[in-house]
Amino acid sequence: SQQGEEDPQALSIQEGENATMNCSYKTSINNLQWYRQNSGRGLVHLILIRSNEREKHSGRLRVTLDTSKKSSSLLITASRAADTASYFCALVPSGTYKYIFGTGTRLKVLA
Amino acid sequence: EAQVTQNPRYLITVTGKKLTVTCSQNMNHEYMSWYRQDPGLGLRQIYYSMNVEVTDKGDVPEGYKVSRKEKRNFPLILESPSPNQTSLYFCASSLGVMGTDEQFFGPGTRLTVL
Repeated sequence: SQQGEEDPQALSIQEGENATMNCSYKTSINNLQWYRQNSGRGLVHLILIRSNEREKHSGRLRVTLDTSKKSSSLLITASRAADTASYFCALVPSGTYKYIFGTGTRLKVLA
Repeated sequence: EAQVTQNPRYLITVTGKKLTVTCSQNMNHEYMSWYRQDPGLGLRQIYYSMNVEVTDKGDVPEGYKVSRKEKRNFPLILESPSPNQTSLYFCASSLGVMGTDEQFFGPGTRLTVL
């Protein structure tokens, strides 16, 4: 399978704590994206990081990318109950037009 | 409002009865795509389209057809649905074609094939 792998599959933390989820993949890429999905609804784009970037920030989100290890991580700082959702990485292998999504991390933030 | 719409949102059908799920976007996007989501498997791409009349297979195209006659529409056709096509389906669109831009997702279509 070409699917990206995410870990952990599920994560439960207290409000205010940080949440880290990881994505590993198998091909060379031009960029990598992260999406959030609330309970069976459509996915919402969070952040895009290009292959020549190592780190990117957006509000409480911090994404890192290590192309030599073919991995990325998403850090949510000072988590809130509203961050409870599933998070997916997504990538397009270089030279293709296909999207590959990770298997997702289910995050639960307890108030 | 910029959006991707899908219809129907919920559908229960029987094996072998042809069905079409419509998808439309109002953002003049080049790239459109269909995904299915099954528990534990994340999203898997069924078909995608880079422009009008240009479509190609994703990772799980068997049992599905698509067409892109107009830029805004990208219907998904199940000629002879089977129970293993019971799933949550999402349509998405993006401006760029090689993952250079964010995808906008529709609200999903929950399909049950009996």
